[in-house]
Amino acid sequence: GQQVMQIPQYQHVQEGEDFTTYCNSSTTLSNIQWYKQRPGGHPVFLIQLVKSGEVKKQKRLTFQFGEAKKNSSLHITATQTTDVGTYFCAGITLTNAGGTSYGKLTFGQGTILTVHP
Amino acid sequence: DTEVTQTPKHLVMGMTNKKSLKCEQHMGHRAMYWYKQKAKKPPELMFVYSYEKLSINESVPSRFSPECPNSSLLNLHLHALQPEDSALYLCASSLKGGFFGNTIYFGEGSWLTVV
Repeated sequence: GQQVMQIPQYQHVQEGEDFTTYCNSSTTLSNIQWYKQRPGGHPVFLIQLVKSGEVKKQKRLTFQFGEAKKNSSLHITATQTTDVGTYFCAGITLTNAGGTSYGKLTFGQGTILTVHP
Repeated sequence: DTEVTQTPKHLVMGMTNKKSLKCEQHMGHRAMYWYKQKAKKPPELMFVYSYEKLSINESVPSRFSPECPNSSLLNLHLHALQPEDSALYLCASSLKGGFFGNTIYFGEGSWLTVV
């Protein structure tokens, strides 16, 4: 089946350092989404990328979607303690269920980010 | 604050008990989902309801029984669970069925412990 691999599994940084997490899919993705989950919390949608080579920015966060739509990255510039949490990518591929086509969301394993003040 | 409300937040149940998890959203979303999340693992899709009909069942054991009474409510009925079913159960919703172009809103989850 479709797999989404995410690395690294853990990342410890000093406050102010940059952070990047990477996702690779075994198949071409229709879209990719990114989520943040704080410790003890629930996943919160950050962004969706749709186009090949797309780059989107949200303040200190930069999201990229690869040209082949099989990989993506999230880069945080100058991390802050509020960035602590697990970052998940989630790839979307088409699947058929009962004769109807649906997008299926497959999460990567997540990268746990800790930020030392 | 999440606009998807889940109750209860915590549930402890025995292996012979019958209980239910409830989920409610008033955003007019027509797709609702149940996910299961174990500690330090990503959410795993269990069920998808689209326009109040079960669209996807990811081969979930029959001891989990979903129900969608109306477009705002989603239940997960639990019966004869096993300790390995202990996890965070997340409800989510999106504007319409499928995942294209839809922001998925997760509830805060129900922490389930099976003893």
